[in-house]
Amino acid sequence: SQQGEEDPQALSIQEGENATMNCSYKTSINNLQWYRQNSGRGLVHLILIRSNEREKHSGRLRVTLDTSKKSSSLLITASRAADTASYFCATDKNSGGSNYKLTFGKGTLLTVNP
Amino acid sequence: EAQVTQNPRYLITVTGKKLTVTCSQNMNHEYMSWYRQDPGLGLRQIYYSMNVEVTDKGDVPEGYKVSRKEKRNFPLILESPSPNQTSLYFCASSLTVLSGYTFGSGTRLTVV
Repeated sequence: SQQGEEDPQALSIQEGENATMNCSYKTSINNLQWYRQNSGRGLVHLILIRSNEREKHSGRLRVTLDTSKKSSSLLITASRAADTASYFCATDKNSGGSNYKLTFGKGTLLTVNP
Repeated sequence: EAQVTQNPRYLITVTGKKLTVTCSQNMNHEYMSWYRQDPGLGLRQIYYSMNVEVTDKGDVPEGYKVSRKEKRNFPLILESPSPNQTSLYFCASSLTVLSGYTFGSGTRLTVV
């Protein structure tokens, strides 16, 4: 079952602009992660934010987490053509006992035009 | 270089012919997982392993088997592949269940 849902499904911007992608989820989480995937390739881990954190930065990336709204956003500042990729949020949920699953959303396809 | 290695990258096979997709990581990670990615359905977890000899079903385990006899290896076995298992498969590992994943490059499987 899908835990995280990204919004929008697709986003097209010009190089230099900022890109914002959102993720909403349904159940309580321990942490939320963002990944990037270039077409047909493996996913690359970008950033992990824990449930007790509200904001985290990594280079041009800024992630926020609002657990009261069950939502997160990924901001990419000063975008470059090389940022063109699909971006996924992933959430863990305790599926019972000591077992955890990391569930991915369907992703946002970001296109950065030169 | 720290990595997750999957083999093969591409595979075309016929219905019913048993196959194994190998996955190996060199980071001494405890947690490993298999996902399949399909258009419109996103990434769905097939099986995962918390540690050696500890495996459990994900969301779509039907038609698949796994084993974790050594910490570094986590092969995915399709005993009798069917066309609906045509997909892009990813192996991933992480230090703990609460860490970021390292993904392999993927295996594109076509079952005819």
